[in-house]
Amino acid sequence: QSALTQPASVSGSPGQSITISCTGTSSDVGVYNYVSWYQQYPGKAPKLMIYEVNNRPSGVPDRFSGFKSGNTASLTISGLQAEDEADYFCSSYTGTSTLIFGGGTKLTVL
Amino acid sequence: EVQLVESGGGVVQPGGSLRLSCAASGLTFSNYWMHWVRQVPGKGLVWVSRIDNDGRSTSYADSVKGRFTISRENAKNTLYLHMNSLRAEDTAVYYCATQSRGGAQYWGQGTLVTVSS
Repeated sequence: QSALTQPASVSGSPGQSITISCTGTSSDVGVYNYVSWYQQYPGKAPKLMIYEVNNRPSGVPDRFSGFKSGNTASLTISGLQAEDEADYFCSSYTGTSTLIFGGGTKLTVL
Repeated sequence: EVQLVESGGGVVQPGGSLRLSCAASGLTFSNYWMHWVRQVPGKGLVWVSRIDNDGRSTSYADSVKGRFTISRENAKNTLYLHMNSLRAEDTAVYYCATQSRGGAQYWGQGTLVTVSS
């Protein structure tokens, strides 16, 4: 099964908003509302930022939001801050009770 | 505080074996399905394997099927990944993670496996 498709990189200036897309298929993103987003700093473990498409775990700023339409999910970060510069990965639950990840997007805060 | 601590990584020759462990604390381990996810440094996350909360059901990525075995000991709050017939392409940081909220909620810090002669 191929990875979910994410843009390799996105960038934005402090205070702006950016959106990262995550495209799957009708076997994963399109059929399950179990899309998650993770933030990862270099050399560190991933951190869950969004679960079940648009829910934030406790402690995650409300600047982070998620959305899904059809086979594509998206993560929006509003009011960009320097500390948001990191790699972002999406994942989706699949019909075989497994996870599939996106290739990752490097966010640069200009 | 939930903690997942992986261990067992290291350098191994092609064709060799390793057993990774993931020690869990701060949660009721037996309530969670668990995953192993790997990442070549600088590259993306790749799902490797999953086990249900009582160890009866497992799944594997095609790339490791028949070579890797996931298991758990709930009495010891520990998850394992037995890796045999290792290949150069298995070189990666291996993370354990809890399955919850439709994704991987808690992650360990990772353990590096290097397959090289």
